[in-house]
Amino acid sequence: SQTIHQWPATLVQPVGSPLSLECTVEGTSNPNLYWYRQAAGRGLQLLFYSVGIGQISSEVPQNLSASRPQDRQFILSSKKLLLSDSGFYLCAWSVPLGGDYEQYFGPGTRLTVT
Amino acid sequence: GQSLEQPSEVTAVEGAIVQINCTYQTSGFYGLSWYQQHDGGAPTFLSYNALDGLEETGRFSSFLSRSDSYGYLLLQELQMKDSASYFCASTSSARQLTFGSGTQLTVLP
Repeated sequence: SQTIHQWPATLVQPVGSPLSLECTVEGTSNPNLYWYRQAAGRGLQLLFYSVGIGQISSEVPQNLSASRPQDRQFILSSKKLLLSDSGFYLCAWSVPLGGDYEQYFGPGTRLTVT
Repeated sequence: GQSLEQPSEVTAVEGAIVQINCTYQTSGFYGLSWYQQHDGGAPTFLSYNALDGLEETGRFSSFLSRSDSYGYLLLQELQMKDSASYFCASTSSARQLTFGSGTQLTVLP
C-alpha cells in the first residue's frame, strides 16, 4: 500500500531563517507530487507540483522553492522566511497520467514564523 | 481564472441529511472533487464527478451539473464524526486541483 511521510510535524522558525520541509512517498512509482499551503480556516493553495524528477511547476510567486531530487521525494525550501509564510504545509501525491482529481495528503507540517 | 464558492458554515443534527453546495468558475473544467478535513488533520478524498448526475458512496453522494457550473455533496444519516470541513475542488486542463475555501460542518447531538 502507498504511504506518504512529511516531517517535521511542527516547526517554529524566526523571520529570516531558512526552511526545508521534506516529503516522501512509498509504494508507488512516478507519482505526481504537490505542495500546498493552508492558512487557518481557509482552503488549500497550490504552491508547486511536479510530474517527474527535476520537473517543478510553480503556481504562486513567493520566496519559496521546491525540488524533486528523487522520484518519490519532494522538498520545499526557503532561504529567508517571512511572517506571511506561517501556515499548514501539506504534501500530496496522485497517480500519474490524469489522476489529479484524487490526491492523497501527508500529515502536514504546521509552520509558525516568529 | 479558477474560483469556487461554498458556504462557510453548516449546522445539522445527528441523523439528519445535509447538502453542501459548490458553484465554480473554472477554465477548461474537467470535474469536481470533494475532500473532508478534520481539525488539524490532512484532507481525505471523498468523491469525484466528471459527468452530470449523482455519484453515491455509502452515506455520501455527490452531484454535478456542468451546465449550471454547480455541484453538491449530500451527507445522509449524519454522525458526530462527520463534523469536519468539506472542500470542493475543481480539476481543469491545467491538471491541477483548485480548492474552495471550505464549509465547516457541525453535527449536533
